[in-house]
Amino acid sequence: QKEVEQDPGPLSVPEGAIVSLNCTYSNSAFQYFMWYRQYSRKGPELLMYTYSSGNKEDGRFTAQVDKSSKYISLFIRDSQPSDSATYLCAMIWMDSSYKLIFGSGTRLLVRP
Amino acid sequence: GAVVSQHPSRVICKSGTSVKIECRSLDFQATTMFWYRQFPKQSLMLMATSNEGSKATYEQGVEKDKFLINHASLTLSTLTVTSAHPEDSSFYICSARGLSLGEQFFGPGTRLTVL
Repeated sequence: QKEVEQDPGPLSVPEGAIVSLNCTYSNSAFQYFMWYRQYSRKGPELLMYTYSSGNKEDGRFTAQVDKSSKYISLFIRDSQPSDSATYLCAMIWMDSSYKLIFGSGTRLLVRP
Repeated sequence: GAVVSQHPSRVICKSGTSVKIECRSLDFQATTMFWYRQFPKQSLMLMATSNEGSKATYEQGVEKDKFLINHASLTLSTLTVTSAHPEDSSFYICSARGLSLGEQFFGPGTRLTVL
């Protein structure tokens, strides 16, 4: 069983839709939770990071963390074709290395 | 967010040669940098963790003599692929950690093709 599970998609939605992306994890040692966006042949871009359970909003993006269920989500409102990319969730293992553990990524396509 | 650069963005080399990739944090000091490789349609695979002034920590299965990492300053880390072979062809991405553990910024990546 992978430590971080993420549906690879692809997820295809019409422009303007609300997008919901999710990850589940198995180990309560994860404390920091991040969402990255990666366009083809580019490095990942940090969208949001959270430490505790709850919601965090930034523009059209809302990150949600539920530590009791070991479940995190990223919501994208008013989705645009430019949002088409692969979205990676990532978590930090709170041992001495503080390494990022990534989900496999969800490919999102927003249709005009 | 903070900016991390990588150079070169693309390199093609002959089998048996060595290739150096630079990773720079442009507007912040990074005591810790990470090196990843990514195959097409796959997630990032951590190769090593690099701390300024000390030896890199390599992940299991990564040959430290083949992938030499140097983190000589708070803004620069280098990855040298020694005696490159076609199977080393991949997308190499570095990242640098900011002040917060949750802030890890990635470079644009380097595409290495070994002929």
